[in-house]
Amino acid sequence: DAGVIQSPRHEVTEMGQEVTLRCKPISGHNSLFWYRQTMMRGLELLIYFNNNVPIDDSGMPEDRFSAKMPNASFSTLKIQPSEPRDSAVYFCASSLIGSSGANVLTFGAGSRLTVL
Amino acid sequence: SQQGEEDPQALSIQEGENATMNCSYKTSINNLQWYRQNSGRGLVHLILIRSNEREKHSGRLRVTLDTSKKSSSLLITASRAADTASYFCATKAAGNKLTFGGGTRVLVKP
Repeated sequence: DAGVIQSPRHEVTEMGQEVTLRCKPISGHNSLFWYRQTMMRGLELLIYFNNNVPIDDSGMPEDRFSAKMPNASFSTLKIQPSEPRDSAVYFCASSLIGSSGANVLTFGAGSRLTVL
Repeated sequence: SQQGEEDPQALSIQEGENATMNCSYKTSINNLQWYRQNSGRGLVHLILIRSNEREKHSGRLRVTLDTSKKSSSLLITASRAADTASYFCATKAAGNKLTFGGGTRVLVKP
């Protein structure tokens, strides 16, 4: 398996533009997580899905952020309109949550977003 | 605020020495995990310890968990230059959310 695949790896955009980040989880995993990492705030959980259904989006900063998971192999995180304070590395991670309750995440390489 | 907080924030050691870092958390947990992040990369899972376990080993890694003190430690023995990275603890309470601490940056000098 190629692991969790994220695109783009780097994005530079101007304030007000729409940004779409993409994630392909590991085949067979049933949960997908979007995290944001900044120096100031560390790793923050934005939203997670279980079996393609959003379970907890309490970490989504505001209505400018939205996430979808139309099928088990694809998810998007969209920011519209983007602002400079959205600059961060966005990570997607997936896991197979079973009866044991353990939740071991496999992370993608991240998408580094710079909003000018 | 973050569930887990690592201590120290940064650690510099010589190759061959042991590295110890600690994690404190605030609420009851189901399990605690440690991850490593190399510069510019995603996090990689290292080890998981359940709330009913006190100690766990994996290669050169040793993790302890004290639920009465709500703390965990990660020991890396005989460190190598390749161990240079940031190390994060992550806690899982009820549900499937993993909450990460701020991390410990470890520099292993050759």
